[in-house]
Amino acid sequence: GENVEQHPSTLSVQEGDSAVIKCTYSDSASNYFPWYKQELGKRPQLIIDIRSNVGEKKDQRIAVTLNKTAKHFSLHITETQPEDSAVYFCAASGPGGSYIPTFGRGTSLIVHP
Amino acid sequence: SAVISQKPSRDICQRGTSLTIQCQVDSQVTMMFWYRQQPGQSLTLIATANQGSEATYESGFVIDKFPISRPNLTFSTLTVSNMSPEDSSIYLCSVGRAGETQYFGPGTRLLVL
Repeated sequence: GENVEQHPSTLSVQEGDSAVIKCTYSDSASNYFPWYKQELGKRPQLIIDIRSNVGEKKDQRIAVTLNKTAKHFSLHITETQPEDSAVYFCAASGPGGSYIPTFGRGTSLIVHP
Repeated sequence: SAVISQKPSRDICQRGTSLTIQCQVDSQVTMMFWYRQQPGQSLTLIATANQGSEATYESGFVIDKFPISRPNLTFSTLTVSNMSPEDSSIYLCSVGRAGETQYFGPGTRLLVL
């Protein structure tokens, strides 16, 4: 089955800095890679996603890059703000029977004002 | 996106008892999923709730401990049976189609004493 590794487990930055979270996956058939943000006491919510036919996707301060050959994808947050503090999960899913996403272990991002 | 509700939102239970968690979706969905999230941990899939057939359980989870019902396309229940303190966790239901975003319910926070 799919295996998703996520690093780092904790990331502490100053407000205004950039933050990068990296994930690797094992199943080359995976073709959908969402990122979820989970604030304390809340449900995970999608913030951005990317499909395997695209190398990069941006949405304001958030971007995701995908390297299919190396089987890794990354979340980039620029100009971080205290409200970006949360746990971020990457996931990978594929077609057919493997479509149920496999989640990474999560990254706790702390943005210091 | 689907609107998902869960009941109860939280509960404190005595060991040896059982708790049934309900998940309601505002539209008909084919696939519903149940996850467990232990404190500070990632999302672990318990089972896929199939309408009209038995749930499909992931490795490490069994029907006797986590019976699931799926009477129609908008509702599912998860029962945590014969609870022990190790079952203290957040239980989340989710919906999503193959290769698409998963939407999560608000979660049920369970504490077993």
